[in-house]
Amino acid sequence: DQQVKQNSPSLSVQEGRISILNCDYTNSMFDYFLWYKKYPAEGPTFLISISSIKDKNEDGRFTVFLNKSAKHLSLHIVPSQPGDSAVYFCAASAQSGTASKLTFGTGTRLQVTL
Amino acid sequence: NAGVMQNPRHLVRRRGQEARLRCSPMKGHSHVYWYRQLPEEGLKFMVYLQKENIIDESGMPKERFSAEFPKEGPSILRIQQVVRGDSAAYFCASSPGTAYLQAEAFFGQGTRLTVV
Repeated sequence: DQQVKQNSPSLSVQEGRISILNCDYTNSMFDYFLWYKKYPAEGPTFLISISSIKDKNEDGRFTVFLNKSAKHLSLHIVPSQPGDSAVYFCAASAQSGTASKLTFGTGTRLQVTL
Repeated sequence: NAGVMQNPRHLVRRRGQEARLRCSPMKGHSHVYWYRQLPEEGLKFMVYLQKENIIDESGMPKERFSAEFPKEGPSILRIQQVVRGDSAAYFCASSPGTAYLQAEAFFGQGTRLTVV
């Protein structure tokens, strides 16, 4: 039972354009959501997070939007850069923002082309 | 300020041998998590430990797998009598675990286990 779903395994975007990565979840107990970026042969790197009490969080070129009623979140990267090419994982936590186990999606491979 | 350190980076074991994976959390972090990533899949939670305590092992296979985080030294994930299906990337993560809205876990570079 995949509680966090990333339905697009891959995405290709031109440099300078916006990248939108989507994530859906099914567990209503999730209250904290995170995005991680992963390069080959490396561990995931934390990118940005959002609490369920918010609907938007912005950090530089990265913005995460949360739609609780739809159980959907998205990561926007604008403008996209070639160095953004990586696999992006959506993750969710169900313990009110304290450190706890994360449930990951299967990832979306972003390719930013010149 | 060293990050999460995992060793070895690559480990090859024959079927039936034991695999021992080590993880040193970031300085000041008292919570350690182990995740496994099978090829073409996302990371799957295995176990959550604090010093000398297993907090949540709901993701651990019932047999052959064990984990510990002793008072001194790194956290160890042990896989006994490895089988080919154990081949995967094993990631360790750590967090301070106490601050509200700090669920971000910092990951190590992983240990890639290959069972031949």
